[in-house]
Amino acid sequence: DIQMTQSPSSLSASVGDRVTITCRASQSISSFLNWYQQKPGNAPKILISVASTLQSGVPSRFSGSGSGTDFTLTITSLHPEDFATYYCQQSYITPYTFGQGTKLEIK
Amino acid sequence: HLQLQESGPGLVKPSETLSLTCTASGASISSNLYYWGWIRQPPGKGLEWIGTIYYSGSTYNNPSLKSRVTISIDVSKNQFYLKLTAVTAADTAIYYCVRMQYSNTLGKAFDIWGQGTMVTVSS
Repeated sequence: DIQMTQSPSSLSASVGDRVTITCRASQSISSFLNWYQQKPGNAPKILISVASTLQSGVPSRFSGSGSGTDFTLTITSLHPEDFATYYCQQSYITPYTFGQGTKLEIK
Repeated sequence: HLQLQESGPGLVKPSETLSLTCTASGASISSNLYYWGWIRQPPGKGLEWIGTIYYSGSTYNNPSLKSRVTISIDVSKNQFYLKLTAVTAADTAIYYCVRMQYSNTLGKAFDIWGQGTMVTVSS
């Protein structure tokens, strides 16, 4: 199985900050990397697919980049509603696997 | 627009079979543009892909669950199903049914999620 490792596991930031979350795959996954946001008590929501394609309705302050084994999710100018847990997921090959999550908290 | 809703028992005894139904509304699951599947999340933990099915019935399951998983689909009822046999406490989780988009531009991603249903394995 492809292992997905996110860093950091948790992050404290303030409204208006720029934050970056990284995701590393244990082998090359080309650009088959998705990012999800999950708020407490809710199902995850897709933000970005194929590493950098913003899903419909997702604010442009979210962006993704990377290919191969190293990927990043960047949120520019944090809004209060952005404090949540973020997961990366590879769709290169089954079994599809997720990172362990990055919890973004308010400083 | 498409909505997914999980249903099934919230409590299952150890060694028994967990059975869940996902009912789609607002669109047909017979589309050849999407796959359908299940993902679970133990309380306070991360996400685990269980398996995926196409409208034709082709399935892809997580080998970590070995042969315990069966995913099936009934397009006439606009439903798909999960059966997980020989459950243990480790199978306690929120179970989500999902749609997986599949295109050259958007890749493969879980773009629609049900609200999730909590299943506890306990005697």
